[in-house]
Amino acid sequence: ELKVEQNPLFLSMQEGKNYTIYCNYSTTSDRLYWYRQDPGKSLESLFVLLSNGAVKQEGRLMASLDTKARLSTLHITAAVHDLSATYFCAVDLSGTYKYIFGTGTRLKVLA
Amino acid sequence: DAGITQSPRHKVTETGTPVTLRCHQTENHRYMYWYRQDPGHGLRLIHYSYGVKDTDKGEVSDGYSVSRSKTEDFLLTLESATSSQTSVYFCAITGTSGGRTGELFFGEGSRLTVL
Repeated sequence: ELKVEQNPLFLSMQEGKNYTIYCNYSTTSDRLYWYRQDPGKSLESLFVLLSNGAVKQEGRLMASLDTKARLSTLHITAAVHDLSATYFCAVDLSGTYKYIFGTGTRLKVLA
Repeated sequence: DAGITQSPRHKVTETGTPVTLRCHQTENHRYMYWYRQDPGHGLRLIHYSYGVKDTDKGEVSDGYSVSRSKTEDFLLTLESATSSQTSVYFCAITGTSGGRTGELFFGEGSRLTVL
């Protein structure tokens, strides 16, 4: 059974600081996705990571994938208030298009 | 934006009544999903479909059934709703052809309250 764990679950950080969110998963997969959810809203896709060593960057966010370690990271550089949201990683179960989500990391950036 | 709509968006019902949520897509995507979102649990997969009449169970399928009689519609049914099924339900779709990367596109969610 595929398990996906994120940590931390809650993150409160000051503007301008850097931090990393971790996503660990329990079985082999080469496909990992990051999503963002604003309060009361739906989820939107942030990054698609489809191979070992994949790195994607968008603005102050950078995601990477290490399939050997079964680990993805979402790095936040010089956080700003607009990044406050809940971030989810999701893993495709062995290429089956069955996606299992982590529990999410609720990020609050303080001005 | 992906053409995906959920209905109803809000529903209050009583324990023991049947409830059906509908997900409709205009993207002709092969895969459709139903997730529920609860505090502390993230999103949990209920059922998903990989084609017309082809469905499979997810992590939390007990008490739920689904049907997909045509590509564009995926129905989630609670045969006899219980208070533990109070949640926000999200439908999602994805495609695999034309270079698509398998990312999910989500509907706006359906908030269900079972009294």
